[in-house]
Amino acid sequence: GNSVTQMEGPVTLSEEAFLTINCTYTATGYPSLFWYVQYPGEGLQLLLKATKADDKGSNKGFEATYRKETTSFHLEKGSVQVSDSAVYFCALTKWAQAGTALIFGKGTTLSVSS
Amino acid sequence: EADIYQTPRYLVIGTGKKITLECSQTMGHDKMYWYQQDPGMELHLIHYSYGVNSTEKGDLSSESTVSRIRTEHFPLTLESARPSHTSQYLCASSEGVLEQYFGPGTRLTVT
Repeated sequence: GNSVTQMEGPVTLSEEAFLTINCTYTATGYPSLFWYVQYPGEGLQLLLKATKADDKGSNKGFEATYRKETTSFHLEKGSVQVSDSAVYFCALTKWAQAGTALIFGKGTTLSVSS
Repeated sequence: EADIYQTPRYLVIGTGKKITLECSQTMGHDKMYWYQQDPGMELHLIHYSYGVNSTEKGDLSSESTVSRIRTEHFPLTLESARPSHTSQYLCASSEGVLEQYFGPGTRLTVT
């Protein structure tokens, strides 16, 4: 079945450092891929998405490219800020019966210090 | 802006009590979901609904039950709470097959 594997955290960086959080997936068909972010004490927010191979999702300086050949959707940011400290979840669509749900990775905690 | 609400935000309750976690959305979405988030932050789908009077169990077996009598409302009920039910519960909704909008969550502690 469909599954998502993300790099384990925590990831600890200094402000303005380059960020990469790896995400690989296993899926039948052509799922859509997502990165969600969860700030402390809050629910999840969609950060970016890609719906087909070679699509690049981007938002707030974060980017991820849907790579079908490597079944990957790695999250990157060129210069992280303290405010980026959060838990990041990679996810893909799971087609189930008449609709769909999301399958999430286990989450990667990012901590950025000034 | 997404408008999906969960109450209460925090709940501490004794073993054996019946509890209902409320979830409401004002976006008119047909699809709604309940996730359980464990202390390690992993999310597990426990219930979903594709519309009024439609409910299905998710990937993770749960002793909770849900109902969908109105489009905007998707409450989750535990008839007899146990310490093993201690967790964070997240509600979400979606219109199509892409973006899900999440509520802020209810952190449940059963003593």
